[in-house]
This record gives sequence, C-alpha cells and structure tokens, in this order.
Amino acid sequence: DSGVTQTPKHLITATGQRVTLRCSPRSGDLSVYWYQQSLDQGLQFLIHYYNGEERAKGNILERFSAQQFPDLHSELNLSSLELGDSALYFCASSVVPGTNTEAFFGQGTRLTVV
Amino acid sequence: AQKVTQAQTEISVVEKEDVTLDCVYETRDTTYYLFWYKQPPSGELVFLIRRNSFDEQNEISGRYSWNFQKSTSSFNFTITASQVVDSAVYFCALSEAYNNAGNMLTFGGGTRLMVKP
Repeated sequence: DSGVTQTPKHLITATGQRVTLRCSPRSGDLSVYWYQQSLDQGLQFLIHYYNGEERAKGNILERFSAQQFPDLHSELNLSSLELGDSALYFCASSVVPGTNTEAFFGQGTRLTVV
Repeated sequence: AQKVTQAQTEISVVEKEDVTLDCVYETRDTTYYLFWYKQPPSGELVFLIRRNSFDEQNEISGRYSWNFQKSTSSFNFTITASQVVDSAVYFCALSEAYNNAGNMLTFGGGTRLMVKP
C-alpha cells in the first residue's frame, strides 16, 4: 500500500458528462501529480500541484482541470467527456517537488466513457 | 525534450529464466533521475528503483538488478530466475532535475513480461 488513496476506483459515465476524481496524498506529502494512462498515449503527466499551487502542466486538455485543497487532497475534474478520455488516471504524491524523491502512486481510477 | 524508449513491447519467458528489460533515454540535462516501476495485473504502479545520473554503480536487490550506462544512455533491468509473480508491465521513466515540475516523469511505453510456469 503506497499510502496514496484514489476514489472512486471505477467510474462509468456517458459522453458529454463531467466527473471528479479524488486523490488523498500520503501523510506529509505536499506535492500531488496527476497522470493519465491510455492505450493510445501510454502514461502521460497531466498536472502537478504543490501545497495548493499549480506548479506545472503537461499534456492536459482544456476540458480538464485540477485543484489542491488546504487539506492537501486534490481533485481532477474532467468535463465534456469523450470516448477517448477513457483511461486509467493515477495520482502520485511526494514530499517536496524535488526530483530526489520518488513519487508514490495511488491505485488509479479507471474511467470508462460510453 | 526528454524521451524514454522501451523497444521490447512484450517478452515471454519460462519460469526460472533470466530476463533483461531494455530502457534507452534521451535528455539534454546532465542531472537527471531514472526510475523503474512495475504495473501488475491489478493495475497499480509499484516503485522499484530510482537512480541519479551521477551514480553509475549497478544495483542489485534480491533477484532484481539494474545496469546504468551513461555512455549508451541505457538503464536496463534484469530479473534473475524469473517467477510467475513477476508477470507485469514494467515501465522505465526519466525525470530531469531542478525543473519546476519536480517529479514530472516521462515514461517509456512499457514492456509486458509474461512468465510461464
């Protein structure tokens, strides 16, 4: 168990809908990262938050947004969903933004858009 | 831009065979970190190892060993005496140091390892 909790584990929704994925980082970790794993694109970095502030964006669509709350949990919001958004979404956390620490991944949320 | 290539998309071995998973990376930075993660059928990503660019010593952890060669930009992973429980997808990843994005990892495409009894 990595200590990173993601909910829900599975989500099935229709095209055009909006969903929210939730991530609770390991105790003490200030950084939260979101990644998307799809058959087409593989594992891709989406966005990074540190202590409530956005630090970096990767290949994140404009229909997607995220935030990190004062209690350090994070939410990834996906809107106007398309079939191609079906993927496994991972959250990871680490103590500080530095690359000298490994990121611990949650178990992922599997999103299926039908 | 950084890039990680895992040329072997799928490898099948029989239990107790040794197997090496290849990883080749590209980066313009002199300071960077390399990682291996395991993704078993249950789907989670399990951290295996982190290596910084200044440490080229090979590492061994039980049946796992890693060979880092800067001269060839490779960070290969060997499983000795493979077991069925080693069946998983293995990802190599790269992170450049001191960028604002911290642990923004660039992943390779993964190698699916199937160990047959």
